[in-house]
Amino acid sequence: GEDVEQSLFLSVREGDSSVINCTYTDSSSTYLYWYKQEPGAGLQLLTYIFSNMDMKQDQRLTVLLNKKDKHLSLRIADTQTGDSAIYFCAESMRGGSYIPTFGRGTSLIVHP
Amino acid sequence: DAGVTQSPTHLIKTRGQHVTLRCSPISGHKSVSWYQQVLGQGPQFIFQYYEKEERGRGNFPDRFSARQFPNYSSELNVNALLLGDSALYLCASSSSGTSETQYFGPGTRLLVL
Repeated sequence: GEDVEQSLFLSVREGDSSVINCTYTDSSSTYLYWYKQEPGAGLQLLTYIFSNMDMKQDQRLTVLLNKKDKHLSLRIADTQTGDSAIYFCAESMRGGSYIPTFGRGTSLIVHP
Repeated sequence: DAGVTQSPTHLIKTRGQHVTLRCSPISGHKSVSWYQQVLGQGPQFIFQYYEKEERGRGNFPDRFSARQFPNYSSELNVNALLLGDSALYLCASSSSGTSETQYFGPGTRLLVL
């Protein structure tokens, strides 16, 4: 089975908040990441959180981590049409190389 | 400063052919990783190189190989192409082999007919 799971689609109205959820399976995960991929483009690292943190905020982005439930979320405040993209959750583990394991991505559609 | 660059941007090949994809990391970064992203999926790890040495390998057949050059640029080679190799190939660079953050290039889209 997949190590990282995400819902496939999310549709929100412009100006609302978006919450994208992710669950992971490996309790030894060290870093958890959110990447954004726009159509035809590579991945842009949005933010990441160390596993001993509960929350991280960066401008419109808020990351919440629930280690007990192995649940990660990304909240985008005041969502804009330019936020429409695929958002990937990823985990990596300590042990030399932080190679991320990605989920399948959540397609965020922002409509006026 | 330039980000990660990859060439070519698009490529069409036929089954059985060979392909070479190229990547230049961010200036000052010494580690390069390669990923395959099939349509509708997240990226899958293929290789990581650091200081010209292979540091990690994903679950890909021996038809896939890579190398890193003294200037830290990298090539990914795929032999005996199959239809299933059609994908977006992403290169990511990081400052060292143990950096927790990687920065991705725009990718090379490969279509195998």
